[in-house]
Amino acid sequence: NAGVTQTPKFQVLKTGQSMTLQCAQDMNHEYMSWYRQDPGMGLRLIHYSVGAGITDQGEVPNGYNVSRSTTEDFPLRLLSAAPSQTSVYFCASSRGQGVDQPQHFGDGTRLSIL
Amino acid sequence: GEDVEQSLFLSVREGDSSVINCTYTDSSSTYLYWYKQEPGAGLQLLTYIFSNMDMKQDQRLTVLLNKKDKHLSLRIADTQTGDSAIYFCAESIRDYKLSFGAGTTVTVRA
Repeated sequence: NAGVTQTPKFQVLKTGQSMTLQCAQDMNHEYMSWYRQDPGMGLRLIHYSVGAGITDQGEVPNGYNVSRSTTEDFPLRLLSAAPSQTSVYFCASSRGQGVDQPQHFGDGTRLSIL
Repeated sequence: GEDVEQSLFLSVREGDSSVINCTYTDSSSTYLYWYKQEPGAGLQLLTYIFSNMDMKQDQRLTVLLNKKDKHLSLRIADTQTGDSAIYFCAESIRDYKLSFGAGTTVTVRA
């Protein structure tokens, strides 16, 4: 049981490049989300999904796209990378809401945009 | 809006108690959580409290909730070097969303 797996762990991009951050979970969780973590700002929600085929915007969605074609996978796409998107990105999943269904986090992707 | 605030740093001597404080703004929050993040890792759920509770104890961890003041605290008894980490307070808001504080970096010194 791998939990939430994020790839890659590290990535360096040039401004304007595009890339996809992968997230997969093997717990059959309906809910998945992407956060970015910046110093002194905690985690901010980028996009989330409550099930396959359903996505919605979080607090800071601009510059990012998501899709949820399967329950297991929730990729995050940077369309045209900007230095302001340098951050640590976390994917999380949960069966639903409630303390008996806490969010499980991946280990993060450290992304630098030059 | 949903704002969660925490102090950014805490230094504590090994064996002492640590107290991490948090304030939140959404009075409709159902659950309040404490997460721990060790270096290079994701967030791990430490403990939680339901909004109709005042206190919860779980081994070395004690969570206190003052709903009137929207104040949450996490006390770690007998702090150990392995407790050095970033601790995040989070409140549940609409649907499945969590609103996180900026995190408190706890440093345990010998």
